[in-house]
Amino acid sequence: QITLKESGPTLVKPTQTLTLTCTLSGFSLSTTGVGVGWIRQPPGKALEWVALVYWDDDKRYSPSLKSRLTITRDTSRNQVVLTMSNMDPVDTATYYCVHSHGSYDFDYWGQGTLVTISS
Amino acid sequence: QSALTQPASVSGSPGQSITISCTGTRSDVGGYNFVSWYQQHPGKAPKLMIYDVSNRPSGVSNRFSGSKSGNTASLTISGLQAEDEADYYCSSYTSSSPYVFGTGTKVTVL
Repeated sequence: QITLKESGPTLVKPTQTLTLTCTLSGFSLSTTGVGVGWIRQPPGKALEWVALVYWDDDKRYSPSLKSRLTITRDTSRNQVVLTMSNMDPVDTATYYCVHSHGSYDFDYWGQGTLVTISS
Repeated sequence: QSALTQPASVSGSPGQSITISCTGTRSDVGGYNFVSWYQQHPGKAPKLMIYDVSNRPSGVSNRFSGSKSGNTASLTISGLQAEDEADYYCSSYTSSSPYVFGTGTKVTVL
């Protein structure tokens, strides 16, 4: 059974760096075709794709956020880590960790974690 | 990369069929057969309903179907039920991003 679980701070101050961890279960990020990424959703607003790392360590970032993002994978711990620098109140959102396998869709989602940016 | 355009809301009575549109460009919806649709109930994570334009994952009701014409993709829900009331988002592969989501559609069952 594939599951993904997000963890990280719920409150971050403006200008600080956010670090979110996604712990994977039921699959390996080393399996050909697998991708794990992040999608966020501000309260009451639409989904926004953020970043994705593939089984071969290829990484893709949202063009509008690219300069602030780093996504890394730790296959030994079966985790994916997202860092986003210079946080702003507009970055307040629920951040979802997602799984993709062999296509351009996201077939498994974590429960999401709400991150609030406020001083 | 601009978001794909969806109607803000669509409504229908139980048993009716409704269609949600998702309009993009030749660089996304029109250029690739990689459109997916997600259903999101309040306070819950989205759920994949359709992938690769018209394919249903295992376990998704056959009342949900997808199609595409030119730069516009569509999700049709037939035999509308109360449990279908939710927000729906389309997504497409793009040549630049590589993913873009739609603006979202609230489906109301009257």
